[in-house]
This record gives sequence, structure tokens and C-alpha cells, in this order.
Amino acid sequence: NAGVTQTPKFRVLKTGQSMTLLCAQDMNHEYMYWYRQDPGMGLRLIHYSVGEGTTAKGEVPDGYNVSRLKKQNFLLGLESAAPSQTSVYFCASSYGPTQETQYFGPGTRLLVL
Amino acid sequence: RKEVEQDPGPFNVPEGATVAFNCTYSNSASQSFFWYRQDCRKEPKLLMSVYSSGNEDGRFTAQLNRASQYISLLIRDSKLSDSATYLCVVNKGGSYIPTFGRGTSLIVHP
Repeated sequence: NAGVTQTPKFRVLKTGQSMTLLCAQDMNHEYMYWYRQDPGMGLRLIHYSVGEGTTAKGEVPDGYNVSRLKKQNFLLGLESAAPSQTSVYFCASSYGPTQETQYFGPGTRLLVL
Repeated sequence: RKEVEQDPGPFNVPEGATVAFNCTYSNSASQSFFWYRQDCRKEPKLLMSVYSSGNEDGRFTAQLNRASQYISLLIRDSKLSDSATYLCVVNKGGSYIPTFGRGTSLIVHP
């Protein structure tokens, strides 16, 4: 039981490049979330999903897209990376809605030059 | 006013000390509350849920004050290993979106 995993762990991009971050969970959770964490800003929700095939915008969705084609995977895409997207990205999942504990992945550190 | 507010600290305490953090929330419809712990460069992990009647887990005690809209975390007999950032999480009823505070940094020194 690996819990929540994220790929890659670290990436350096040039401005304008694209990439996809992969989150996978093996706990059969319905809910999945993508956050970014910046110094002094705390965790901010980018997008979330309440089930396979569904996605919704969070607090800071601009510049990102997501897909949830399979229940266990939640992909975060950056179509044209900008230096402002330099951050640590965390994926999380939970069994149910907000009463439930969230389980986080180890994070992806992204540097956009 | 931010939805969830925490004093960022850092709280710098000696081993063995008792330390308490508060977290205030603005939405009176909030229904569930949690404390998470985040070590440096690691992911957040659940420390404990916060129940209406208050709850204790070893050296940690969490309390909820709905009238004043805050939750608290008390750590007794602090250990060096308690050094971390403590995140408060508040969930509104009917919302899928948990709201995180920015965290309180705790440093326990010998």
C-alpha cells in the first residue's frame, strides 16, 4: 500500500515549456486535490476532483489544467510554464468529503527559469 | 479577514515546556476541524481531529471554541522531535474544499 505517490519529485523547466505532474493513490479514494505551497502563503488549492471524470477549480486555477480519467490518478498540467509557477506541488486524496482526513503525496518541487 | 488565521511564530521553546497555538476561523458554518503537522520539506500529515468536546492524544490536546470561533492545540512536555509547522484545517459543511491556515512554526531547543 503506497498511499499517495507523485511523479516527478523534482523538475526544472524553462519559461514556456509544458509538463504534467502525476498523482496516483491506491486507497480507492473518491476525492483528490492539487495544492501549491509557497513560502509565507501556506497551501493553496489549485484544482480538485470529487470522482472519476470530474474536476473543479480551486483558489488559484489559472495557468493549470487537470484531468481525472481514472479514479486512482489525478494529473496536473502546465501548458506554458511561468516563473510564478515555481513552487512545491502537493497532491492529496480523501475517501469522502470534508469530514475525512486528507492523505498527501511527498510533493513535486518545480523550478521555472 | 482571512478564513483561517494562525500566528506564524516561530514559537521557540525549551524541551519539556508546554506550548499552545490557536487558530481562528471566520465562517460560523464550519463543521470539522483538524490539526496537521508538516516537517521541513515534507508533506503535511494528520496530527489529530478536533472534536466539540475536546480531545487528547498523549501529550497533545485539541479544543474547539465555537462561540469564539477558534481551535487550539496544546503540547505538553515538548520534545525536540515536535519541531515542525502545525497547520490548522477548517471545513465548511457542504463544501468539498478544506481551508488551510498558513501554519505555526514550532522550534523546540535543548
